[in-house]
Amino acid sequence: DTEVTQTPKHLVMGMTNKKSLKCEQHMGHRAMYWYKQKAKKPPELMFVYSYEKLSINESVPSRFSPECPNSSLLNLHLHALQPEDSALYLCASSPRSPGQGLQETQYFGPGTRLLVL
Amino acid sequence: AQKVTQAQTEISVVEKEDVTLDCVYETRDTTYYLFWYKQPPSGELVFLIRRNSFDEQNEISGRYSWNFQKSTSSFNFTITASQVVDSAVYFCALLSLKGSSNTGKLIFGQGTTLQVKP
Repeated sequence: DTEVTQTPKHLVMGMTNKKSLKCEQHMGHRAMYWYKQKAKKPPELMFVYSYEKLSINESVPSRFSPECPNSSLLNLHLHALQPEDSALYLCASSPRSPGQGLQETQYFGPGTRLLVL
Repeated sequence: AQKVTQAQTEISVVEKEDVTLDCVYETRDTTYYLFWYKQPPSGELVFLIRRNSFDEQNEISGRYSWNFQKSTSSFNFTITASQVVDSAVYFCALLSLKGSSNTGKLIFGQGTTLQVKP
């Protein structure tokens, strides 16, 4: 089973709101990722968590705050977003972490479509 | 520099036609991995295949086949007897062991939108 789940599926928020996106996997994967995808563009990496620790931040603005409470769960906290942050946010996981000498396949969730008004 | 080029932005075919999606990559590393993902309108990126740089064997999975040629840095994807359910955006991606070993960062092409008409 290679299932990554994400909630909510859709989210509309104002620029002053605080919201969170949730991602979950029960495959025992040790690396989890957040990607942002604008319409008609490929996904762009935002964060990588390796063994529940943040290992990569691709220069993402601080209004995006990731959190990994345990090995199965990854959150993305949103605060004071801008309309240009409207996008599809994809979560992914892989069995082992980057840097371990093996490049594992990343399995993606269905995404959260975010609209910032 | 690492780069993936999918020159075909959109392709439209009629059901049962064969269609090939092109992917050309650039990397200076000797060890790397190539992927194809399918993204239907629902948004989820569905993993289709992974190949490493040392394995140039072509692969067939049902109606799908992949042609990996290191000499031309290409990893093309063919769908035989296309179906309406094949309509989606297809991404080719590169993961370099040396360049991305500390990030796991997939380098995606721009994607090819395939429309299969009944």
